Amino acid sequence: SYELTQPPSVSVSPGQTARITCSGDALPKRYVYWYQQKSGQAPVLVIHEDTKRPSGIPERFSGSNSGTMATLIINGAQVEDEADYYCYSPDNTGVHSDWVFGGGTKLTVL
Amino acid sequence: EVQLVESGGDLVQPGGSLRLSCAASGFIFSDFAMTWVRQAPGKGLEWVAAIDKRADVTYYADSVKGRFAISRDNSKDTLILQMNSLRSGDSALYYCVKLTGRMSWYFDYWGQGALVTVSP
Repeated sequence: SYELTQPPSVSVSPGQTARITCSGDALPKRYVYWYQQKSGQAPVLVIHEDTKRPSGIPERFSGSNSGTMATLIINGAQVEDEADYYCYSPDNTGVHSDWVFGGGTKLTVL
Repeated sequence: EVQLVESGGDLVQPGGSLRLSCAASGFIFSDFAMTWVRQAPGKGLEWVAAIDKRADVTYYADSVKGRFAISRDNSKDTLILQMNSLRSGDSALYYCVKLTGRMSWYFDYWGQGALVTVSP
């Protein structure tokens, strides 16, 4: 079955750049989506279609997708960005056969 | 503003049944596919089931196939998850989630979740 691999944890100091990776064999052919989940809250979409930010998401959040690895980048991470982050990459054939999340990365900002 | 409000979560014994509902508002419900995603305590996100906008096609994770049924009532803007033969491994927070996209569906708005606990 299809898998997306994320590091379990990433730690940065406030103001530093945080990079969270997501690897998968099919990523060269698919978009990647990123979700932020703060403690006790529902997930929120922070990046869609590799690089696009939904309305209301701070500009410090960006994304890239190259080869078999996608990266969520938080430029100048803030304490309030501390959360679990999940990647997701669905099939794009209209078959809707892959519904797999990455295992999640806990971002610590302190 | 998109709102998704789940209800029906409860404590149920193994082998029992439960029905979750999700009341949607703030968007044209019948224009979008919908899905359920669950999260066991302290664990990651796991997709459960999805349904297209007309309720013509349903999709299920292997872990729930044959036990869970997803449905929708577009006249009432409501999404349903009927859960039968529940197991301890089904204990989780169940999120109702709106899908968007054309060839690729992705999750754009999430409810706050309904807690299902399966225990003797």
